[in-house]
Amino acid sequence: QVQLMQSGSELKKPGASVKVSCEASGYTFTDYGMNWVRQAPGQGLEWMGWINTNTGNPTYGQGFTGRIVFSLDTSVSTAYLQISSLKAEDTAVYYCARKKLGDWYFDLWGRGTLVTVSS
Amino acid sequence: EIGMTQSPATLSVSPGERATLSCRASQSVSSNLAWYQHKPGQAPRLLIYGASTRATGIPARFSGSGSGTEFTLTISSLQSEDFAVYYCQQYNNWPRTFGQGTKVEIK
Repeated sequence: QVQLMQSGSELKKPGASVKVSCEASGYTFTDYGMNWVRQAPGQGLEWMGWINTNTGNPTYGQGFTGRIVFSLDTSVSTAYLQISSLKAEDTAVYYCARKKLGDWYFDLWGRGTLVTVSS
Repeated sequence: EIGMTQSPATLSVSPGERATLSCRASQSVSSNLAWYQHKPGQAPRLLIYGASTRATGIPARFSGSGSGTEFTLTISSLQSEDFAVYYCQQYNNWPRTFGQGTKVEIK
């Protein structure tokens, strides 16, 4: 079955770090790039950036540099989103979404991971 | 950054009726526009790409049109499973940007 399986909800304190995983199955992982999309409470979708699964090269969207790191483990077809120095405003649902290399729409999404930052 | 404005914010429609959703870009995005359906607790689903091409497995009642700055998603006869939030997204320019969504609710 073609799917993206994301890790479970996280509750973190301000200043901590979190690492969200997105495991791909049912397709060749390196045939598609992986994007990350944020949805803050009551807000719309915001593209955070993407990582090329062939080269491992990440591209970060505006406002998503410094505390955000995208990474891969191609041996287990998994992409990761790490956020450090968490702030309350990082509270959101984070989605991974694949795109064909060469295309730019997202044809498969994960169900999202809720990250809550609270003291 | 290209701003994407969706209207209306909420659309109340009876089952079987037609729904028309609009998306406007702050500058031309050519036909590089996608529509997604999102239900609570579920993964968003790609409906339309290239402004008018239905994604694999999407029913024919969903259609997209437009180019440049004005786009429309039409659901010809709403089914119960179509009540959801719909987002447009441009992928012509960096960064990729989404509209704020249109919630289609049961009237």
